Amino acid sequence: NAGVTQTPKFQVLKTGQSMTLQCAQDMNHNSMYWYRQDPGMGLRLIYYSASEGTTDKGEVPNGYNVSRLNKREFSLRLESAAPSQTSVYFCASSEPLSLALADTQYFGPGTRLTVL
Amino acid sequence: LAKTTQPISMDSYEGQEVNITCSHNNIATNDYITWYQQFPSQGPRFIIQGYKTKVTNEVASLFIPADRKSSTLSLPRVSLSDTAVYYCLVVVNAGNNRKLIWGLGTSLAVNP
Repeated sequence: NAGVTQTPKFQVLKTGQSMTLQCAQDMNHNSMYWYRQDPGMGLRLIYYSASEGTTDKGEVPNGYNVSRLNKREFSLRLESAAPSQTSVYFCASSEPLSLALADTQYFGPGTRLTVL
Repeated sequence: LAKTTQPISMDSYEGQEVNITCSHNNIATNDYITWYQQFPSQGPRFIIQGYKTKVTNEVASLFIPADRKSSTLSLPRVSLSDTAVYYCLVVVNAGNNRKLIWGLGTSLAVNP
């Protein structure tokens, strides 16, 4: 099993350009997440999707949009990239066992994005 | 909402036991505590999860006192390959909503 895959691995954009980060999982998980990771800031949740057809804002959603295309795929779009969006982006998926338990998140390898 | 606080960095030597403590003073009754490990240029990986008392798996132990305001990840007999960043996560369950409160991570350096 590939687990969680992300494309591209690296990307350089100019300010104002747009791009979509792709994420796919083959574990049949219902929940998917997008995080950004910056030095000294830990992991910050951008958006998440509890199940196919639903998306919710996380801690830092401004400047981003998401699409839960189907159960496997969850994409993150930057409509007009800004230097402040330079970061490492991680996608994750999980299968909530129940509301009484915290589910294990499986992370992809990350996309390193630089906005000039 | 719970806020997670953990040390920025720790140093240890091979063969020693390492304990990393995370504070989460405002943790609520239904919140769970989870720990992740991250190596450079990789995504975080689940280590262990607990609700109260002690949990042990093949990799680590997690100690949670009765008041649940802190938790301690214990790594027995660390090796050089345990050098990584360790994150504490409190999963806040509020009805059908869920919030994820990540700590900023503890960078563990294991020396020969």
